[in-house]
Amino acid sequence: DAGITQSPRHKVTETGTPVTLRCHQTENHRYMYWYRQDPGHGLRLIHYSYGVKDTDKGEVSDGYSVSRSKTEDFLLTLESATSSQTSVYFCAISESIGLQSSRVGYTFGSGTRLTVV
Amino acid sequence: DAKTTQPPSMDCAEGRAANLPCNHSTISGNEYVYWYRQIHSQGPQYIIHGLKNNETNEMASLIITEDRKSSTLILPHATLRDTAVYYCIVRVAHNAGKSTFGDGTTLTVKP
Repeated sequence: DAGITQSPRHKVTETGTPVTLRCHQTENHRYMYWYRQDPGHGLRLIHYSYGVKDTDKGEVSDGYSVSRSKTEDFLLTLESATSSQTSVYFCAISESIGLQSSRVGYTFGSGTRLTVV
Repeated sequence: DAKTTQPPSMDCAEGRAANLPCNHSTISGNEYVYWYRQIHSQGPQYIIHGLKNNETNEMASLIITEDRKSSTLILPHATLRDTAVYYCIVRVAHNAGKSTFGDGTTLTVKP
């Protein structure tokens, strides 16, 4: 989707190194999310943000941290990458239901494929 | 947010209607039902959503039972390009709506 971009698209990193994934939106949406998806499974919420500097944990937050210093950017950091964090990471944005812009609920990015070796 | 239950997989013949069920028996009065689909490794894409009434758009129809405990997504004339994983989620209005995505239903449309 043109309103949300993730970078990098692919990354290979070594165990124990820090990694930061970036999500950038041009929609001025309030809420931003990071999900991970493992082969054959659905999406699991890592962290989400409900405004600048306001973040909270999702269901699989251990080993991850996030920051949101601007409305448009939401960063996901793996402090010390492990092989179990090899996954596809999706960023999503949304607004509150009821606003015209929220019709589609979540808009997802194209994903970042991270491999930890 | 309430959780949903979907069958893991379904098949459908090309040109026929695909009916994908979703159970959300613990849904609250202020939770909407949303459907998304994910093709290959792309990000999920919105299909349709509803609160109480049945809804229809250019892609699909959504039938929600009167007690709102289940719903059915209908693709009226399935094509091979509709082969995908379909996710049903419920989401509360007016907040972050940090919904749980289950494993979804893998729909395979066969020629």
